[in-house]
Amino acid sequence: QQQVKQSPQSLIVQKGGISIINCAYENTAFDYFPWYQQFPGKGPALLIAIRPDVSEKKEGRFTISFNKSAKQFSLHIMDSQPGDSATYFCAASRAQGGSEKLVFGKGTKLTVNP
Amino acid sequence: EPEVTQTPSHQVTQMGQEVILRCVPISNHLYFYWYRQILGQKVEFLVSFYNNEISEKSEIFDDQFSVERPDGSNFTLKIRSTKLEDSAMYFCAYWGSGDQETQYFGPGTRLLVL
Repeated sequence: QQQVKQSPQSLIVQKGGISIINCAYENTAFDYFPWYQQFPGKGPALLIAIRPDVSEKKEGRFTISFNKSAKQFSLHIMDSQPGDSATYFCAASRAQGGSEKLVFGKGTKLTVNP
Repeated sequence: EPEVTQTPSHQVTQMGQEVILRCVPISNHLYFYWYRQILGQKVEFLVSFYNNEISEKSEIFDDQFSVERPDGSNFTLKIRSTKLEDSAMYFCAYWGSGDQETQYFGPGTRLLVL
């Protein structure tokens, strides 16, 4: 129940295309859903995050869609660029608070071809 | 840029040796965490630390691991007797407000146990 399932494991997209990464969870106590971007040799960096009281959040080319009833959320990267090539992790925690650990998905390696 | 530095950036050690990984916050933070990432796998929670005490630990965080903040500044993770399977990237994270209230990750320490 602590798991966050992420798919696909890898994704290849052409420049300008849309990248879509999906995540699902089971623990209904999860209340905060961030996405992290990780470049090789670096730590994960927060990309965008959402709370379940909204169904969508958009920041620039990045959009999170959230389906509370299905317990699923997804990251959409519009107009994908080669610089977006990285590993993306979805995560979840029981609250957006310092006391709560993050539970990560297994990651999606995104390659954007020029 | 993360507000923590981690030292060393890389460490190679022999199985059975003790290692100490350090995290140095630049600003005052209350919540700290250690996560690890085995090569090519997801980021896994090890332990959270608040007000100089462990607030939560995972099943990975067994008696071989310990954390402390010996001088009120450095935040350390000690592995008493390393095993081959301890080879991983170890990330220190902190709870910060930044652009968003979330966990921010340091650059990591790559540990290789031979």
